[in-house]
Amino acid sequence: RKEVEQDPGPFNVPEGATVAFNCTYSNSASQSFFWYRQDCRKEPKLLMSVYSSGNEDGRFTAQLNRASQYISLLIRDSKLSDSATYLCVVNMVRGTYKYIFGTGTRLKVLA
Amino acid sequence: GAGVSQSPRYKVAKRGQDVALRCDPISGHVSLFWYQQALGQGPEFLTYFQNEAQLDKSGLPSDRFFAERPEGSVSTLKIQRTQQEDSAVYLCASSLGTSSGYTFGSGTRLTVV
Repeated sequence: RKEVEQDPGPFNVPEGATVAFNCTYSNSASQSFFWYRQDCRKEPKLLMSVYSSGNEDGRFTAQLNRASQYISLLIRDSKLSDSATYLCVVNMVRGTYKYIFGTGTRLKVLA
Repeated sequence: GAGVSQSPRYKVAKRGQDVALRCDPISGHVSLFWYQQALGQGPEFLTYFQNEAQLDKSGLPSDRFFAERPEGSVSTLKIQRTQQEDSAVYLCASSLGTSSGYTFGSGTRLTVV
């Protein structure tokens, strides 16, 4: 089993739709979780951290389910500009530096 | 500087040639990371520095890969005797602390022909 797994997609959704991605991780001791966004031929950029209690940033909501070892990203009211690849990132042990990236989920928002 | 700077942006190397990729992290960031990203994949960890100390090089794919950060600032990733499978984007990232998110540079796209 891969350390971090994501559905590669693509997810094709119309503008204004709500879309959700999940990401599973293998190490139950994992402590830090993030979502990164990567545009085509660009570097990954931090979208949001994922906290145990869940957190929201505008149209984006991130959730952590420790029991089932997955994190999720929900995007409401999708915009054309949300089209990108969303990378799930996990670090395995608190205070360590080694982040493991998923392969990413491609999202295409259609007009 | 304001962001992580990498050079060159693009590099075409003939098979067998040595290459050196440079990363200039955000000023004050003690942690520096190198990742390799193949087409359609997520970034794969190569190595990590805390200041000038290379604390983990477990991701380096072979002994042809070497990284250094002699003064705890600029880092260089060197690949000797490049092979076609080395073609990828090499991303450098820096971080203030070990458990915060990274800031990535724009990457160096290496093509070995």
